[in-house]
Amino acid sequence: DAMVIQNPRYQVTQFGKPVTLSCSQTLNHNVMYWYQQKSSQAPKLLFHYYDKDFNNEADTPDNFQSRRPNTSFCFLDIRSPGLGDAAMYLCATTTGGGYNEQFFGPGTRLTVL
Amino acid sequence: EDQVTQSPEALRLQEGESSSLNCSYTVSGLRGLFWYRQDPGKGPEFLFTLYSAGEEKEKERLKATLTKKESFLHITAPKPEDSATYLCAVQAGTGFQKLVFGTGTRLLVSP
Repeated sequence: DAMVIQNPRYQVTQFGKPVTLSCSQTLNHNVMYWYQQKSSQAPKLLFHYYDKDFNNEADTPDNFQSRRPNTSFCFLDIRSPGLGDAAMYLCATTTGGGYNEQFFGPGTRLTVL
Repeated sequence: EDQVTQSPEALRLQEGESSSLNCSYTVSGLRGLFWYRQDPGKGPEFLFTLYSAGEEKEKERLKATLTKKESFLHITAPKPEDSATYLCAVQAGTGFQKLVFGTGTRLLVSP
């Protein structure tokens, strides 16, 4: 059974055209994360939600926004994608205080033309 | 600043040739060290969590160990299906702390 689901798996957008990536989870975890991973690099945390509380990493560009309408869903909005935003975007979830393992979705590969 | 360094960057093994991957870390107050496997074009898959020095965990051909400065992922008699990138990550400090990842070791096991 799928636990963390990301849609779409592949997304192509044009330079400057807004795009939204979605993540849903069936684990009922209260913490959800968005990571950016570029080729051969470590995943880089963009932001996370602890319940409804949004926490932005200091170096996350303003171009990246997130919404969490309920426990199960979380969205990543890229307002004006640049060529440098082409990457794999990973959603992850965990439970409790954040010291437990994170479960990752399959990722969305974003291409910017 | 918390840091995680993995070595080697890439490792090529013959099927059945055992080896170890290294993850060295510099953190203030380790809360947990995590090993993940990542196949190309997919999200990381959780393997192990280690919480304190001396702890060991095993799963099939994989065994993870932890000291105060590093962790090893031992692969015994690997098979081609073990080929993947293995990521190490740490959580440290008090309160909510993010995972700090290393850049991974790309493992290729040839038949």
